[in-house]
Amino acid sequence: EPEVTQTPSHQVTQMGQEVILRCVPISNHLYFYWYRQILGQKVEFLVSFYNNEISEKSEIFDDQFSVERPDGSNFTLKIRSTKLEDSAMYFCASQQAINSPLHFGNGTRLTVT
Amino acid sequence: AQSVAQPEDQVNVAEGNPLTVKCTYSVSGNPYLFWYVQYPNRGLQFLLKYITGDNLVKGSYGFEAEFNKSQTSFHLKKPSALVSDSALYFCAAYGGYNKLIFGAGTRLAVHP
Repeated sequence: EPEVTQTPSHQVTQMGQEVILRCVPISNHLYFYWYRQILGQKVEFLVSFYNNEISEKSEIFDDQFSVERPDGSNFTLKIRSTKLEDSAMYFCASQQAINSPLHFGNGTRLTVT
Repeated sequence: AQSVAQPEDQVNVAEGNPLTVKCTYSVSGNPYLFWYVQYPNRGLQFLLKYITGDNLVKGSYGFEAEFNKSQTSFHLKKPSALVSDSALYFCAAYGGYNKLIFGAGTRLAVHP
């Protein structure tokens, strides 16, 4: 069964540094998402992406965050200047059609020191 | 505001007994509801969904969920729990055009 893949599985970075989290969604999916989860708690919506533009974003997704689908395959989340509170598990998800289930990757654990 | 509530942080069940994990929702328009399961260090796996039709929805691994419009609930159920069902369970609903919002999660612990 096709899967969403995320790299790296774990990223450690210093406060103030830029990080890029990478995702390869399922190939025939059209909608893409980033979520984050802090310490195994609530799964928080960050951003949705369709037709090469952001569809919705949360208040968490401020100017430090950006997303890109540069080559029709990868879907990336960039954090320009990381803060300690950005430490979390970041999940990418893709979806074939609106209201169909989201398929999640296994996540990237981001640790900001 | 759109929201999903899971009132129980943890549910403890003995193996072989029925289990229920509760979920209530508050969304505008027709609710599109989902259950996901998360095992340690893994992503969320889709279990089942309600879009329209029968109020009792059957999903993966013997799970089912009952949609109740009057109570705005979508409780997850299984007739006979297994130890391997122990995991974190999330209820979710669409809270916008392209935005699936999740409840806080319920940790299910099934004891032998």
